[in-house]
Amino acid sequence: KQEVTQIPAALSVPEGENLVLNCSFTDSAIYNLQWFRQDPGKGLTSLLLIQSSQREQTSGRLNASLDKSSGRSTLYIAASQPGDSATYLCAAYSILTGGGNKLTFGTGTQLKVEL
Amino acid sequence: GAGVSQSPSNKVTEKGKDVELRCDPISGHTALYWYRQSLGQGLEFLIYFQGNSAPDKSGLPSDRFSAERTGGSVSTLTIQRTQQEDSAVYLCASSSHHFPGQRNTEAFFGQGTRLTVV
Repeated sequence: KQEVTQIPAALSVPEGENLVLNCSFTDSAIYNLQWFRQDPGKGLTSLLLIQSSQREQTSGRLNASLDKSSGRSTLYIAASQPGDSATYLCAAYSILTGGGNKLTFGTGTQLKVEL
Repeated sequence: GAGVSQSPSNKVTEKGKDVELRCDPISGHTALYWYRQSLGQGLEFLIYFQGNSAPDKSGLPSDRFSAERTGGSVSTLTIQRTQQEDSAVYLCASSSHHFPGQRNTEAFFGQGTRLTVV
């Protein structure tokens, strides 16, 4: 059974700081690895999707890496801003009965960026 | 539609009542998923549809939960005789699957239905 863990559970940083969020998974037989953002009371916003053949993806100030052999992914946020404050979730894709893709989510990192 | 749409966005119901939650996936997406996000449990998979069939229902927590999908599009998640522990945000996602097991297909999520059982 896939288990996904995120460290730290909560993080508070001053504006402008670069930071790294960590995600680890127990079963390396994953396909995609996806990072999401969730604002309070809201749904999920996709940030980056790393496909199984890739090692990293970049979008603006965000960079996500994937190391399947070690069961780890990291999300790097450069020059953090107060608007980055949210909960960040990683999710590992695996195959379901019938061929679909199941996402197993981590417990999330609650980020607060202070002025 | 442009994205996955869920309704209602919020639902308050009395314990013991039945509720129906609706999901409209992205047009053309053959795969549809239901997830639940509850306090202390994180996000959990409930059920997967490919077309109108549900090959994987392994995440449904009890026989009070059921789901159907019609026309390969809209899906309804039904919870019978609701209990307080059913209070959660129910999220729907869809993705485009061209063949079973296709790996690199991204899941797109709706905004969720917040269910409160009082």
